[in-house]
Amino acid sequence: ETVLTQSPGTLSLSPGERATLSCRASQSVSSSYLAWYQQKPGQAPRLLIYGASSRATGIPDRFSGSGSGTNFTLTISRLEPEDFAVYYCQQYGSSPRTFGHGTKVEIK
Amino acid sequence: EVQLVESGGGLVKPGGSLRLSCAASGFTFNSYSMNWVRQAPGKGLEWVSSINSGSNYKYYADSVKGRFTISRDSAENSLFLQMNSLRAEDTAVYYCAREGIAGAGPHYYFDYWGQGTLVTVSS
Repeated sequence: ETVLTQSPGTLSLSPGERATLSCRASQSVSSSYLAWYQQKPGQAPRLLIYGASSRATGIPDRFSGSGSGTNFTLTISRLEPEDFAVYYCQQYGSSPRTFGHGTKVEIK
Repeated sequence: EVQLVESGGGLVKPGGSLRLSCAASGFTFNSYSMNWVRQAPGKGLEWVSSINSGSNYKYYADSVKGRFTISRDSAENSLFLQMNSLRAEDTAVYYCAREGIAGAGPHYYFDYWGQGTLVTVSS
């Protein structure tokens, strides 16, 4: 199965700063079938990005995704207070579909 | 508005059984594959099982294969997960999640999630 490694484990930033989250795959993710989710405490995950770079419905344009092959990045251009959460990447290029272990973005 | 509402979680002893349900509304249920994804306390997300719109293709994670059974009822717009031979490591919040692409098999991302139902396996 494809193992996804997210880094860093925790990112401490201030509102207004730029956040860069990394997701590396143990093997190439076909067709850039990579998604990103946001999860806040006590809530279900919310889809942010699919196809490595396509924003889901209603997602602000401060969220962007990039990458291909084994290296993918989620960028939040300017952090808003509501963006502090845990972010997961997920690949759907091979079976079984797998998730990374998450990056927590916390307030510095 | 798409809504997914899970129910059926609770405390069960090791070796016991539980049946989870997910009531779907706000979209054409018959057009979408559906999934169960779980999250152990304080841990990450794990895909558990998928079913296509016609119920003729069902998939399971190795960790639950032979113990869990996924099904759906189009008349009731509901998704189910029958969990047998439960183990302590099955303790988690179980989420119902819709496949991201209508008319496709269960091989993509998850665009809508329910709020989850907690399953605790303990003696």
